[in-house]
Amino acid sequence: NAGVMQNPRHLVRRRGQEARLRCSPMKGHSHVYWYRQLPEEGLKFMVYLQKENIIDESGMPKERFSAEFPKEGPSILRIQQVVRGDSAAYFCASSPFTGDSRAFFGQGTRLTVV
Amino acid sequence: SQQGEEDPQALSIQEGENATMNCSYKTSINNLQWYRQNSGRGLVHLILIRSNEREKHSGRLRVTLDTSKKSSSLLITASRAADTASYFCATDTGTASKLTFGTGTRLQVTL
Repeated sequence: NAGVMQNPRHLVRRRGQEARLRCSPMKGHSHVYWYRQLPEEGLKFMVYLQKENIIDESGMPKERFSAEFPKEGPSILRIQQVVRGDSAAYFCASSPFTGDSRAFFGQGTRLTVV
Repeated sequence: SQQGEEDPQALSIQEGENATMNCSYKTSINNLQWYRQNSGRGLVHLILIRSNEREKHSGRLRVTLDTSKKSSSLLITASRAADTASYFCATDTGTASKLTFGTGTRLQVTL
């Protein structure tokens, strides 16, 4: 049973480009969460999705950031017109159902904006 | 802003010693969890304690929770070099795995 898969592991983008981060949850998990981690800090919640629905996006910046979890395929976190401040590690987590709050994390995507 | 604060920020001990990390939080919670993060890797769930529990054990891990003080501690007994990692507490208020993380404790276990 594969764990949460994220790709790419490392992503370098120039300022102004778009970054697309992908996450496939664990098999049988229908809840996906995205977190951002700045260097030497803890993780900060960004968005919570279920298939085809955004449940909670209270941690998402209002502009340039969007997320989706389509019926088929991985969840995508999209950052448009990246800026240097977007450089961080982005982690995806999944959980099996609402009643279990344990999160299973992927290895993360390290985004560097140059 | 982060809800949780952890102390110490960094802890260095020798193999075989015990390591204690503390976590404080600000709002009412459903559960408190502890996660480990090895350098450059994702987080691994260690243990979950519910708000109506006061103490929980799992192998060499012991977690306590004091909801009146809004604090928790993680004790790792008989530490090993492989325990070297950052440890984070995380709280949830009932919305599934929407977690609020603490700032973390970096543990270094030396031989």
